[in-house]
Amino acid sequence: AQSVAQPEDQVNVAEGNPLTVKCTYSVSGNPYLFWYVQYPNRGLQFLLKYITGDNLVKGSYGFEAEFNKSQTSFHLKKPSALVSDSALYFCAVRDPGSSNTGKLIFGQGTTLQVKP
Amino acid sequence: GAGVSQTPSNKVTEKGKYVELRCDPISGHTALYWYRQSLGQGPEFLIYFQGTGAADDSGLPNDRFFAVRPEGSVSTLKIQRTERGDSAVYLCASSAWDSAVRVTDTQYFGPGTRLTVL
Repeated sequence: AQSVAQPEDQVNVAEGNPLTVKCTYSVSGNPYLFWYVQYPNRGLQFLLKYITGDNLVKGSYGFEAEFNKSQTSFHLKKPSALVSDSALYFCAVRDPGSSNTGKLIFGQGTTLQVKP
Repeated sequence: GAGVSQTPSNKVTEKGKYVELRCDPISGHTALYWYRQSLGQGPEFLIYFQGTGAADDSGLPNDRFFAVRPEGSVSTLKIQRTERGDSAVYLCASSAWDSAVRVTDTQYFGPGTRLTVL
């Protein structure tokens, strides 16, 4: 079965330090991978996606993610965290078994807390 | 441009009542999705429309849930005989259709409707 795992419920970093939010996936076939961010009482905002090509993907607000096929991972990174990055982050994979419907399978989410 | 909008933002109802949740997708997006997000969980897929038709309704939990998109734009999620377990945030997303590779493009989400069943 297709699945996404975010092994950390919460990540704490100091402002200005690099951050990493982990994601691993399990799908058959080539995955389409996504990161979304959710602020309190708001919907999900798209950050970045990996479809094919360069394993390092750059997205919004200075975030990037690295696709690693051998480790089936797609970790989200940022070189220097801001307090305003504090939010709930979701990794998602497009279900390749769903033909062209594009439905997403989400991880449980990771709360990022950036302290001043 | 305008993003995905959802109304109402909050809905409180009593067990056994009927509710309707509305989604206005981004103009021109032919694909529309409904997801349900329970507290502390990631969103879970409910149903996908391509145009007016429900192309995949495999995520609907039971026959109390139904969704329509009669003109290929606005969609309504309908829940009959609501139960306390239906309490969640219902998210709508829309995306364009990439005709070159014949798949839907990135999904953009609305702010959600928080449904509380008392």
